[in-house]
Amino acid sequence: KAGVTQTPRYLIKTRGQQVTLSCSPISGHRSVSWYQQTPGQGLQFLFEYFSETQRNKGNFPGRFSGRQFSNSRSEMNVSTLELGDSALYLCASSLEFSGELFFGEGSRLTVL
Amino acid sequence: AQSVTQLDSQVPVFEEAPVELRCNYSSSVSVYLFWYVQYPNQGLQLLLKYLSGSTLVKGINGFEAEFNKSQTSFHLRKPSVHISDTAEYFCAVSEEGQGAQKLVFGQGTRLTINP
Repeated sequence: KAGVTQTPRYLIKTRGQQVTLSCSPISGHRSVSWYQQTPGQGLQFLFEYFSETQRNKGNFPGRFSGRQFSNSRSEMNVSTLELGDSALYLCASSLEFSGELFFGEGSRLTVL
Repeated sequence: AQSVTQLDSQVPVFEEAPVELRCNYSSSVSVYLFWYVQYPNQGLQLLLKYLSGSTLVKGINGFEAEFNKSQTSFHLRKPSVHISDTAEYFCAVSEEGQGAQKLVFGQGTRLTINP
């Protein structure tokens, strides 16, 4: 069974640009969550989608957005990039009520 | 709101020695508790979870943890570590009834195994 796939794995952007990250969940998983990991702030919850609806949202500015498609694939977008957005962005999928998140290897974003 | 404190940022241990990674949480509601492991340049992998039932939880790779409600702790233990256990370990909580998707993580404990 294929795991959670995130693309791209690495990317470099400049301040003010925008970026879109993609996540393909494990087949059959309808919930997709996104986390930001930085050395200073650690792992922080961004948002969670279930059946194309945002079900939970963390404390991030509106520049961070996401969506989920009917096949459960998800994208997150960050607009007007700032230096502080440099981070590893992790996507995780899960079965409802399973109590377990399956994480991808992440997309490492560097903002210059 | 919940918060998680991992009391040690780094723990060096000799191979085959026992180890305990400490985790305390704060919450005004009932919680689910988790330990995840992150190997270099990889995502996180679930080691074990407490949702309900027995307070002693066994996970993968010989790890176990005990939920102590009165002390709001969920410490992770392994009786004998191996070089392959070198990784970063994260304790996490989620609000009971909200599922396990919205996790609040601790800052992590870097476990280093010395031969």
